[in-house]
Amino acid sequence: QVQLVESGGGVVQPGRSLRLSCAASGFTFSGYDMHWVRQAPGKGLEWVAVVSYDGNTKFYADSVKGRFTISRDNSKNTLYLQMNSLRAEDTALYYCAKDLEWELTEYYFDYWGQGTLVTVSS
Amino acid sequence: QSVLTQPPSASAAPGQKVTISCSGSSSNIGNNYVSWYQQLPGTAPKLLIYDNNKRPSGIPDRFSGSKSGTSASLAISGLQSEDEGQYYCAAWDDTLNVVVFGEGTRVTVL
Repeated sequence: QVQLVESGGGVVQPGRSLRLSCAASGFTFSGYDMHWVRQAPGKGLEWVAVVSYDGNTKFYADSVKGRFTISRDNSKNTLYLQMNSLRAEDTALYYCAKDLEWELTEYYFDYWGQGTLVTVSS
Repeated sequence: QSVLTQPPSASAAPGQKVTISCSGSSSNIGNNYVSWYQQLPGTAPKLLIYDNNKRPSGIPDRFSGSKSGTSASLAISGLQSEDEGQYYCAAWDDTLNVVVFGEGTRVTVL
């Protein structure tokens, strides 16, 4: 069965960096686009970034552009999110999510991890 | 404030039907497909509907989606206690160039 397990969250001071990981299993990781979606405490969902199945194409929300970098290692079935220059408003539960369709960017998230909490506070 | 507007809450008795609306504009719902997600308390979201009205495998036909113009709806028939949770609509926005989510609707089974 499909499993996505995020890790790397924690408490970090404003301006510092953090790297999130998402270990995938149960499907052909290299055939699907992968996303990061976040949810601030008690709030709704916000899409953060996507990386294409082959790692060649990446898109970001304006709120994180220039500060966050999404990447993937298909040999390790792992998705990453490098977060730099963190701000208080980046505090959220970060989910990795699989796109629905093979080798297409549909922005439909059919499997989600359990999330990893990032808290940005001094 | 999201570009997709959902009512904050909706409720119905067990076995009844509840309908959740999602209102947008020509730059999102009016020109693109809509999806719906269910988030039960303490869990990750789950895809219920994509392409306006398609259900992923494993999603019961009690859940149905529709779209008309710049609005979309999610209907849950045969409401069950385990359906209590938050429901989010989503659509691509051509102006913002990003997928946007509604603010969510909390469904309560009376």
